[in-house]
Amino acid sequence: EVQLVESGGGLVQPGRSLKLSCAASGFTFSNYYMAWVRQAPKKGLEWVATISTSGSRTYYPDSVKGRFTISRDNAKSSLYLQMNSLKSEDTATYYCAREGDGYNPYYFDYWGQGVMVTVSS
Amino acid sequence: DIQMTQSPSSMSASLGDRVTITCQASQDIGNNLIWFQQKPGKSPRPMIYYATNLANGVPSRFSGSRSGSDYSLTISSLESEDMADYHCLQYKQYPLTFGSGTKLEIK
Repeated sequence: EVQLVESGGGLVQPGRSLKLSCAASGFTFSNYYMAWVRQAPKKGLEWVATISTSGSRTYYPDSVKGRFTISRDNAKSSLYLQMNSLKSEDTATYYCAREGDGYNPYYFDYWGQGVMVTVSS
Repeated sequence: DIQMTQSPSSMSASLGDRVTITCQASQDIGNNLIWFQQKPGKSPRPMIYYATNLANGVPSRFSGSRSGSDYSLTISSLESEDMADYHCLQYKQYPLTFGSGTKLEIK
């Protein structure tokens, strides 16, 4: 059974940093692009970051580029999101998601339960 | 960046109604579109892959279609369990972009 379990959320002051983790199981983690997607309270979904299978390629929207860093440890089947210079608008539930393997059309087929990040003084 | 314009933002329909939600892409995305269902407090669930393909376990009353740059999610006969938010996502190119979401309520 595929499982994605996020951790590391919480309350943080503006300008500070936080690192999220996502523990994956039930599939060959190293075969998949992985992503973070967030959802501000009562708002829609926003893609935050993607990382390639080896970690050599990363992608971000302008809203987080230069502040957030996605990384992975294939040996530990783990995905990370380092968030620096946090702003109040980063307040959201952050989801870890399996993006795809590049061979099948089943992108974003599994999601974690989400972890809440609140940026407030 | 590719903009996904989703409509309506909210709607109310009766049980048994046919319901259609639409996303319009600002650039060509081919069929690289996913529809998600999200219930309160839950993670998104993929419903339709590659614009028209039903995901595993999704009831056959759900369908996806494409007409040019317009992509539609249709529920042929609304059931109470379909009350949820629906989102489209284009994955043709980065940055990946979601539609703004549709809140579907039951009258």
